[in-house]
Amino acid sequence: GQQVMQIPQYQHVQEGEDFTTYCNSSTTLSNIQWYKQRPGGHPVFLIQLVKSGEVKKQKRLTFQFGEAKKNSSLHITATQTTDVGTYFCSNTDKLIFGTGTRLQVFP
Amino acid sequence: DAGITQSPRYKITETGRQVTLMCHQTWSHSYMFWYRQDLGHGLRLIYYSAAADITDKGEVPDGYVVSRSKTENFPLTLESATRSQTSVYFCASSIVISYNEQFFGPGTRLTVL
Repeated sequence: GQQVMQIPQYQHVQEGEDFTTYCNSSTTLSNIQWYKQRPGGHPVFLIQLVKSGEVKKQKRLTFQFGEAKKNSSLHITATQTTDVGTYFCSNTDKLIFGTGTRLQVFP
Repeated sequence: DAGITQSPRYKITETGRQVTLMCHQTWSHSYMFWYRQDLGHGLRLIYYSAAADITDKGEVPDGYVVSRSKTENFPLTLESATRSQTSVYFCASSIVISYNEQFFGPGTRLTVL
């Protein structure tokens, strides 16, 4: 079946450093959604990308959808301790979630 | 604004017992979903429902039963719990299935001894 892989699985960064997580699919996706789950919490929707090559920004977060619509990335500039959590990508057509990237930020 | 709630929040049961996890949403969303979350596997879809009395299997449906007699409720039943069903279970809802965000409940942590 269709799979969506995320890398890395874990990332530990010093506060102020940048962070990027990647989401890769074996097939073309109609859309990509990103969710954030704080430790002990539930996934919360961040953003949706639909167009090829689309780039969206939310303050320090930059989301990108690849030209071939098979991959996506989430980049956080100058991480803060509030960014701690697990970031998931998702595709609504197949109702699948990536395996997630767990971000730890050290002050 | 209650949103989407799950009960119980924590449950410990024994192998072979029947367990029902409840999910209730106040938005009248058409779609509801059940996921399980295990370390290293992310979120995996168990079952979903497009409307009352319409349900469909997801990626990992074996050992689970769902029903949806009312739009706002979507209970998940483990007919005979096994240790491999120890997990965190999330219920979610959305207005439509495509191009629409899912709203997640707080989760139920289930331990099967």
